[in-house]
Amino acid sequence: AQTIHQWPVAEIKAVGSPLSLGCTIKGKSSPNLYWYWQATGGTLQQLFYSITVGQVESVVQLNLSASRPKDDQFILSTEKLLLSHSGFYLCAWKQNTLYFGAGTRLSVL
Amino acid sequence: QQKVQQSPESLSVPEGGMASLNCTSSDRNFQYFWWYRQHSGEGPKALMSIFSDGDKKEGRFTAHLNKASLHVSLHIRDSQPSDSALYFCAVSGNNNAPRFGAGTKLSVKP
Repeated sequence: AQTIHQWPVAEIKAVGSPLSLGCTIKGKSSPNLYWYWQATGGTLQQLFYSITVGQVESVVQLNLSASRPKDDQFILSTEKLLLSHSGFYLCAWKQNTLYFGAGTRLSVL
Repeated sequence: QQKVQQSPESLSVPEGGMASLNCTSSDRNFQYFWWYRQHSGEGPKALMSIFSDGDKKEGRFTAHLNKASLHVSLHIRDSQPSDSALYFCAVSGNNNAPRFGAGTKLSVKP
């Protein structure tokens, strides 16, 4: 069975500090991977997607970047956090439907 | 840009009651409508999909699609407090990631 794991579970960071969030999928070869951002109680905004190692497409510009260093790993990062980066970050893989991880809650102060 | 509109924004029903959620898309090239449910602090989980006109039933959940009007509804009968969550409608094409609506917050009161 496929499993998706996100880390960390939660982060509290200062404005201007760097950030790295991770996502690992096990049990699925060459998955299509996605990063979503969600404001509290809000809709799901797609940020990035990747269909293969080393290839990432940006959907919206939010001063964030993503990388796919391994087939089963997807990383979201930024060098300088903004207050507007606060929210819930979700990683997902797709096979007919989207399967989401448990998310990372980010608070930028 | 193609949009997915959901209504109502929030809904409160008594335990055992019927909850009805609505969704309309402006994308005539859709393949599927999906319903996702998200409990507080968790990632969303897919409930069901529908692509044919008419009803699709899965347990207490029934989705109804009208392709001509690009309207889909989700009906939850015998609502339980555990059904309290944020419900998203999403429209997906063949290979694209689904596009999500703003969500409906459902509260089921014991």
